[in-house]
Amino acid sequence: EVQLVQSGAEVKKPGESLRISCKGSGYSFTSYWINWVRQMPGKGLEWMGRIDPSDSYTNYGPSFQGHVTFSADKSISTAYLQWSSLKASDTAMYYCARQSYYGSGSYHDCWGQGTLVTVSS
Amino acid sequence: DIQMTQSPSSLSASVGDAVTITCRASHTISSYLNWYQQKPGKAPKLLIYAASTLQSGVPSRFSGSGSGTDFTLTIGSLQPEDFATYYCQQSFSTPRTFGQGTKVEIK
Repeated sequence: EVQLVQSGAEVKKPGESLRISCKGSGYSFTSYWINWVRQMPGKGLEWMGRIDPSDSYTNYGPSFQGHVTFSADKSISTAYLQWSSLKASDTAMYYCARQSYYGSGSYHDCWGQGTLVTVSS
Repeated sequence: DIQMTQSPSSLSASVGDAVTITCRASHTISSYLNWYQQKPGKAPKLLIYAASTLQSGVPSRFSGSGSGTDFTLTIGSLQPEDFATYYCQQSFSTPRTFGQGTKVEIK
């Protein structure tokens, strides 16, 4: 079974750093990009960007460039999303999602269960 | 960036009703359009990709159409488990923008 399992909920203070994880199983981890999607409380889905686990090449959405960092460790089939200095506005649910392709298009066919990040003083 | 605009933002419908949600792209995206369903407290689920291709395991009452800038998601006969929020997403270019969502509620 194809699965993405994310790390557990986090409660942090402003200014703290954080890294959350997304572990893939049931498929060749290096054959599919991992995308990250943010959902702020009561709001819609926002595409943050993606990473190619085979070589750690990344694309960042304009709103997230410079604010977060994607990384991956293909030896343990795990992708990471990290912040160096959290803000209250980073409070959200974060999803990882596998990117599959058809021709020139793509879609997210497998999602992690989400990691809730709460940033509060 | 390509902006995706869904309408309506919410709707109320009864079990058995046919429901149509529209999604408009700010630039042409050919057929690079996906639809997702999200239930409260759950991760999104892929319903349709390439504008009209049903993902494996998704009931046939869901259908998608459109190309260029205008797309529709239709639920042929609404079932109790279909009450959820639906999002479109374009995969024509990065960033892979989503629509703002359409919440389907029980009338």
